[in-house]
Amino acid sequence: GQSLEQPSEVTAVEGAIVQINCTYQTSGFYGLSWYQQHDGGAPTFLSYNALDGLEETGRFSSFLSRSDSYGYLLLQELQMKDSASYFCAVRAGTALIFGKGTTLSVSS
Amino acid sequence: DTAVSQTPKYLVTQMGNDKSIKCEQNLGHDTMYWYKQDSKKFLKIMFSYNNKELIINETVPNRFSPKSPDKAHLNLHINSLELGDSAVYFCASSQDASRRRYNEQFFGPGTRLTVL
Repeated sequence: GQSLEQPSEVTAVEGAIVQINCTYQTSGFYGLSWYQQHDGGAPTFLSYNALDGLEETGRFSSFLSRSDSYGYLLLQELQMKDSASYFCAVRAGTALIFGKGTTLSVSS
Repeated sequence: DTAVSQTPKYLVTQMGNDKSIKCEQNLGHDTMYWYKQDSKKFLKIMFSYNNKELIINETVPNRFSPKSPDKAHLNLHINSLELGDSAVYFCASSQDASRRRYNEQFFGPGTRLTVL
């Protein structure tokens, strides 16, 4: 089966950098994805890593190490609007299996 | 234009009732999904469906049934509602073209179901 572990909460201040880690166990690996969800909103896709290394998209970057079954989401120049839940996910068949989410609170 | 839409946004009903949630996507995607998000924000796959195959998460009670009249729609029917069914239900879709596209799922706004 598949399982993912990520911290439940992270706090930071505006302008800071924060890293959200994710370790996974999966019987077949098809890449690691990250989603953002604001309170009351829908999950929205942030990034996808299929190969080892860093993928950068603006202020957000995502890293994958397949040998360590580990990835992280890096958020730079934090803004108040980045306060949300962040989920890592792996694919199982055609659907995604999500971690339990990390709640990021950004304060001024 | 809304990519993935769901109706209703809120649904309050009594135990034992039967209800449906509708989902439509205008992205031309091949695969649609239903997820359940509980009060602890845990997102769990319920079904995935394309025009070839319905895949059911084995932990989903058979009171839940997806129905797809066409490629753009995947509705969720729930019979004999129970208190534990209270949650937010999200519809999603993705394109089958590549691994990346499979992982990039587009979610609807969610339906908050409350069973009294």
